[in-house]
Parts: sequence; C-alpha cells; structure tokens
Amino acid sequence: KQEVTQIPAALSVPEGENLVLNCSFTDSAIYNLQWFRQDPGKGLTSLLLIQSSQREQTSGRLNASLDKSSGRSTLYIAASQPGDSATYLCAVRHNAGNMLTFGGGTRLMVKP
Amino acid sequence: GAGVSQSPRYKVAKRGQDVALRCDPISGHVSLFWYQQALGQGPEFLTYFQNEAQLDKSGLPSDRFFAERPEGSVSTLKIQRTQQEDSAVYLCASSEDREPYNEQFFGPGTRLTVL
Repeated sequence: KQEVTQIPAALSVPEGENLVLNCSFTDSAIYNLQWFRQDPGKGLTSLLLIQSSQREQTSGRLNASLDKSSGRSTLYIAASQPGDSATYLCAVRHNAGNMLTFGGGTRLMVKP
Repeated sequence: GAGVSQSPRYKVAKRGQDVALRCDPISGHVSLFWYQQALGQGPEFLTYFQNEAQLDKSGLPSDRFFAERPEGSVSTLKIQRTQQEDSAVYLCASSEDREPYNEQFFGPGTRLTVL
C-alpha cells in the first residue's frame, strides 16, 4: 500500500526566506505527483503536477522536483511571502489506479 | 471557466440522519473522485467514477456510504444513518484524464458535522 509522508508537519519562517518542503512515498511505481495548497476552510488548489517521466516543474516562485527511484519530491518556494501561508499537500497517483494518495501536509506560516 | 462546485458547503446532521452531498464537476471531465478529509489530515480516497461507471469504491468506509453519477456528470455522495465519526470535509475532484491532461481539480468541499 502506498504511503506518503511530509516533513516537517509545520514550519514558521520570516518573510523573504527560501524554503523547502519534503514529500516521500514508499512505492516508486507512480504515474504522477501533484502539489496542492489548502487555505483554512477551503478546498485544494493545484500548484504543480509532475509526470513520472519528468524531473521537475516550475511555476513562478515555485519549483517541484521528483526523484522516483528514491521516492522523494521537494517543493521549493523562493522569497516567501505572508500570502504563502497555508497547508501544502503532496499527492501521488499510483500506476495501478486513478486515485491520489495524500501526505498529511505541511502547515506553513510566513511571518511579515 | 467554472471550476468544481459542491453543495451544501456546510451540513449539520443529527446522529442517525441521512445526508446527500452534491458535486458538479468541470464540464467535460470524464473522471470524478470523492475524498474524505478529517481535521488536520490529508484527504483520503473514497470512490472514483469514469463517466457514469463507478470503477473503484474501495475507499468507502462502510455500507452506509453510497455514491452515484447516473448521467456521467453530477455526482451525489449519500451517507445513511450518520455517525459522529463521519464528521469531516468531503471533497470532490474531477479530471479530463487523458494524456497529458490528468491533473485533478478540487471543489471547495462540504463540511459535515454530525452531532
């Protein structure tokens, strides 16, 4: 059974810092990996999707990398801003199914 | 364009009541998913439809949970005889699910509180 772990569970940084969120998964036979953002009381906003054949994806200040063989992905946020404060979730889609398996999330607080 | 919509956004039910949660996927999206998110945790898969066919219901926690998508568009998740442990946010997602457009897009969720 696929298990997804996110470390750290919570992170507080001052505005302007560059930061890295980590995601690991136990079964490397994945179809793709998505990073989401969730604001309190809201649904999930898709940030980046990395196909299994890709190594990284970039969108603005966000960069996500994927290392299938080691079962790891990182989300890099450059020049963090208070508006980046949210919970960040990674999710993997397994080759054998269409559902996403989520990690527990990292709660990010960026202080002005 | 319109995203995934869900209704109601909030539902309070007394233990033992039946509830029905609605999901309107993005127009033209073939695949539809239901997830359950407990407080402080990541979402967990419940069930998956491809058009009107329910291809995977392995995540439904009990036979009190039932989902349908009769015309391959709108979906309803029904919970019978609700229990306190059913309290959670229920998220719906849809996807075109054809290469490379296999990203899942989520609705705002329905927060269910069972008293």
